[in-house]
Amino acid sequence: GNSVTQMEGPVTLSEEAFLTINCTYTATGYPSLFWYVQYPGEGLQLLLKATKADDKGSNKGFEATYRKETTSFHLEKGSVQVSDSAVYFCAVHGGSARQLTFGSGTQLTVLP
Amino acid sequence: GAVVSQHPSRVICKSGTSVKIECRSLDFQATTMFWYRQFPKQSLMLMATSNEGSKATYEQGVEKDKFLINHASLTLSTLTVTSAHPEDSSFYICSAREWGDTGELFFGEGSRLTVL
Repeated sequence: GNSVTQMEGPVTLSEEAFLTINCTYTATGYPSLFWYVQYPGEGLQLLLKATKADDKGSNKGFEATYRKETTSFHLEKGSVQVSDSAVYFCAVHGGSARQLTFGSGTQLTVLP
Repeated sequence: GAVVSQHPSRVICKSGTSVKIECRSLDFQATTMFWYRQFPKQSLMLMATSNEGSKATYEQGVEKDKFLINHASLTLSTLTVTSAHPEDSSFYICSAREWGDTGELFFGEGSRLTVL
């Protein structure tokens, strides 16, 4: 089945710092890749996605590029804000699995 | 985008009682819904796949007699935690996929269950 390996947290940054959260996956075929965000006390929200190799998903200043050669989908943001504090989940869908497979999640805390 | 609503958002119950959590797709029909459980500081664990008009498919290790899932219509799935115990306390999240299986899941807000 599919699997996702995500950078362990927690990650603590100062406001306006650069963010990278690493994510690598294993999957057969041509999976779709996702980043979800969970703010404190809330459910999951789709942050961005990419459905084919070399696609770049972007939203709210976050970006991630689908790299098939390295099977990676790293999340980046050039300047984080306090409001970005949340748990971020990388996920993969497709190939032989019907459901989304999630990474373990990375807790991000941004300090003012 | 599509909206999935979950109710209640928080519930506290006594040990031994049963609790029902509803998951509704508000503006689309969902032939398939998924139920997840999230432990503190951990990822989501898929519990079961809820199929409209048929029995749910449970993941290995999930007690189907304890976690009853019903998907009676294309917009509603329910999870009932029967004879709840403190170890069942958790954050339960549902998700739904629109007809046609686009791959994108829409998630409910989650329900925090606390069993005393």
